[in-house]
Amino acid sequence: RKEVEQDPGPFNVPEGATVAFNCTYSNSASQSFFWYRQDCRKEPKLLMSVYSSGNEDGRFTAQLNRASQYISLLIRDSKLSDSATYLCVVTLLLYSGAGSYQLTFGKGTKLSVIP
Amino acid sequence: NAGVTQTPKFQVLKTGQSMTLQCAQDMNHEYMSWYRQDPGMGLRLIHYSVGAGITDQGEVPNGYNVSRSTTEDFPLRLLSAAPSQTSVYFCASSYLQRGGQYNEQFFGPGTRLTVL
Repeated sequence: RKEVEQDPGPFNVPEGATVAFNCTYSNSASQSFFWYRQDCRKEPKLLMSVYSSGNEDGRFTAQLNRASQYISLLIRDSKLSDSATYLCVVTLLLYSGAGSYQLTFGKGTKLSVIP
Repeated sequence: NAGVTQTPKFQVLKTGQSMTLQCAQDMNHEYMSWYRQDPGMGLRLIHYSVGAGITDQGEVPNGYNVSRSTTEDFPLRLLSAAPSQTSVYFCASSYLQRGGQYNEQFFGPGTRLTVL
């Protein structure tokens, strides 16, 4: 089983639609969870962290289910500017003293929002 | 602040050539890392550093060397380029994680490398 798995898409949705992305991870010791956004031919940028209690940032809602090792991202009222690839990221702390941690990236889910 | 900068933006090499990809950050981050991104693959960690003079291998270190003589700079050296190293390379930096608190990684704009 791959460490972090995402549906690659593409997801083609009309403006105003609600779309959800899922991500599963294999290492139960994983500590932190994030969604990054990557625009075409650009660098990844942090979109939001994912907390066990769930968290919301405007039109974006992230959820974590540790028991099922599953993370989700919900985008409401999609905008053209939301078109990008969304990367699921999981971290594992390697050495607490040195602050060294391992990030594992999913391959990303491509979203295209259509006018 | 310029953030994380990378040079060059594009590079074409012939098999067997060596070169150094440059990465610099002006945020005084202790942690720096190099990733490669290939079509259909996630970002994969090549090497990382938790401070000046300290480096370690990531998931795919073979064929690459790094050094960290200053906090600001973290160059990646390709020893003898191979077509399999054709990829987009991203450098990233962050503060060290302390007390279990993850710190956001900031990525540079990337270097697109083609090895013929």
